[in-house]
Amino acid sequence: DGGITQSPKYLFRKEGQNVTLSCEQNLNHDAMYWYRQDPGQGLRLIYYSQIVNDFQKGDIAEGYSVSREKKESFPLTVTSAQKNPTAFYLCASSIDRKQYFGPGTRLTVT
Amino acid sequence: AQSVTQPDIHITVSEGASLELRCNYSYGATPYLFWYVQSPGQGLQLLLKYFSGDTLVQGIKGFEAEFKRSQSSFNLRKPSVHWSDAAEYFCAVGAAYGGATNKLIFGTGTLLAVQP
Repeated sequence: DGGITQSPKYLFRKEGQNVTLSCEQNLNHDAMYWYRQDPGQGLRLIYYSQIVNDFQKGDIAEGYSVSREKKESFPLTVTSAQKNPTAFYLCASSIDRKQYFGPGTRLTVT
Repeated sequence: AQSVTQPDIHITVSEGASLELRCNYSYGATPYLFWYVQSPGQGLQLLLKYFSGDTLVQGIKGFEAEFKRSQSSFNLRKPSVHWSDAAEYFCAVGAAYGGATNKLIFGTGTLLAVQP
């Protein structure tokens, strides 16, 4: 089955620790995206990548970093500089202007 | 600046009743418009899209939406709601951004509850 995998589904970290969220796709899509979702705020774009070895900041990139070494993978690191990291994180890939989403990772930082 | 407004935060309908979820957008050029649905704790599923052509578009699960340029709207409709339609619905507009044409701007969502 083709699709987007995000792992883990739930992630717990202590404040001050960096944490990396995984996103893998086998859809052969060039473009990939990371969104953050908070209650009542919809989805906000963190980073996106159109091709391998290239990525761009979205609207709320501060405190986050990404890499795109392989077409299939677009991991997101939430650094200790992110002031409010607790949220639901969604990865997406796109083709023909349509975005397809993974199941999400809920990150809780205490 | 591009934006999407979903004026209804929460809607409750009875099973079997018709449904209309409102979406208004602000965009300087011809928009690409989308509706997504999200079940609790899950990712988003694409319901339907409008790129060009016929302004009434059909989607999955019996949903349809109508693009009205004069009203800057893209409302989602379903003639008869099923209990399984209870979810959160997001409208999104596709915008050019830094050379990429696939950035989506999302509304804040409408949470649909279905009464038996």
